Amino acid sequence: ETGVTQTPRHLVMGMTNKKSLKCEQHLGHNAMYWYKQSAKKPLELMFVYNFKEQTENNSVPSRFSPECPNSSHLFLHLHTLQPEDSALYLCASSQDGRTDARGGELFFGEGSRLTVL
Amino acid sequence: AQSVTQLDSHVSVSEGTPVLLRCNYSSSYSPSLFWYVQHPNKGLQLLLKYTSAATLVKGINGFEAEFKKSETSFHLTKPSAHMSDAAEYFCVVSGRGNKLVFGAGTILRVKS
Repeated sequence: ETGVTQTPRHLVMGMTNKKSLKCEQHLGHNAMYWYKQSAKKPLELMFVYNFKEQTENNSVPSRFSPECPNSSHLFLHLHTLQPEDSALYLCASSQDGRTDARGGELFFGEGSRLTVL
Repeated sequence: AQSVTQLDSHVSVSEGTPVLLRCNYSSSYSPSLFWYVQHPNKGLQLLLKYTSAATLVKGINGFEAEFKKSETSFHLTKPSAHMSDAAEYFCVVSGRGNKLVFGAGTILRVKS
């Protein structure tokens, strides 16, 4: 069983649909992250949760709505998306909210490939 | 502010030959630096990270990187490439506020 599990692995949705991405970590970590990976662009941090509290929202449009009910689960609710939102959405976790060398590394899931038609 | 530049978007090597993936960084503070690897259809995995203890950092799978402050570089090397090394590699800098900044990535192709 991998440490960070994301479902679904692939999702195709229309611009008027509402869907959710799910992430679950089995590592006992306290921080969870959503990243967006688009072709030919650097990885973009979207949201950070530390001990279930949102500590970072990197100017993400409101059509993306995160939810963190506990330290092991993270959701990304999607509604009225645009075609440019098509990307690989990666979830990650770390021991705490520190990501420098004195803190812990990030552990990534395999991603959810989203296509918006 | 921190930034990182990966100098090559694609690198192609033959199996058994050395690998060099180049990374330059910019940071207003003493940086923390990382290399992550992403195999096709997989998430990112930490290869190695720089702490202030040693400028030559050894990672998994025979990779290593050297921190050169005077050149603001953190290049990734491996003496002998293996087919399984084919992947995308990301150089990452972390500065004040613990925000990670990812480079655009370098795709490594290994020819048999």
